[in-house]
Amino acid sequence: DGGITQSPKYLFRKEGQNVTLSCEQNLNHDAMYWYRQDPGQGLRLIYYSQIVNDFQKGDIAEGYSVSREKKESFPLTVTSAQKNPTAFYLCASSILQGTGVEKLFFGSGTQLSVL
Amino acid sequence: GENVEQHPSTLSVQEGDSAVIKCTYSDSASNYFPWYKQELGKGPQLIIDIRSNVGEKKDQRIAVTLNKTAKHFSLHITETQPEDSAVYFCAASNQAGTALIFGKGTTLSVSS
Repeated sequence: DGGITQSPKYLFRKEGQNVTLSCEQNLNHDAMYWYRQDPGQGLRLIYYSQIVNDFQKGDIAEGYSVSREKKESFPLTVTSAQKNPTAFYLCASSILQGTGVEKLFFGSGTQLSVL
Repeated sequence: GENVEQHPSTLSVQEGDSAVIKCTYSDSASNYFPWYKQELGKGPQLIIDIRSNVGEKKDQRIAVTLNKTAKHFSLHITETQPEDSAVYFCAASNQAGTALIFGKGTTLSVSS
């Protein structure tokens, strides 16, 4: 089946610890995105990448880092600098057209909690 | 940067009634406006979208209207059913056209 896979579904972080959320897609999409979802806050853009080895900051990039070494993978690291990491994290991918961003396909999310 | 405002935050309707959710955006360069439905514990799924060169689009019970001059767009759901109950998000493309900026969501409850 084609799709976008996030793992793990639930993740717990201790104080001062870095954790990495996995996102893999087999849709052959060029662009990938990370959003953070908090209750009542909608989806806020953390980072996105349009091609391998390149990525851009979104609105709330502080305390996060990403890499794009392969087209299929876009892992997100929540660093110890992120003081309020508890949230639902969503990864998405899309094709790129000359007209700009197209339909986003979302994964099923990772719920990160602080111990 | 782009800012998207969405109203109302919650909406309760009776089965069979219509539901309308409204969004405004700030960047006149935005040219793509999708709507997503999110069920509990899942990722959002696209239900309908519209580009800036179109004023209205319909797909069965769902329609979206766009007013570029006023910079607002709306989702219309007719003949609502209990399975329409979910959180709905509007979004607009950012100035560069490289990402989507989302509204804060509307929780729709349809009671039978």
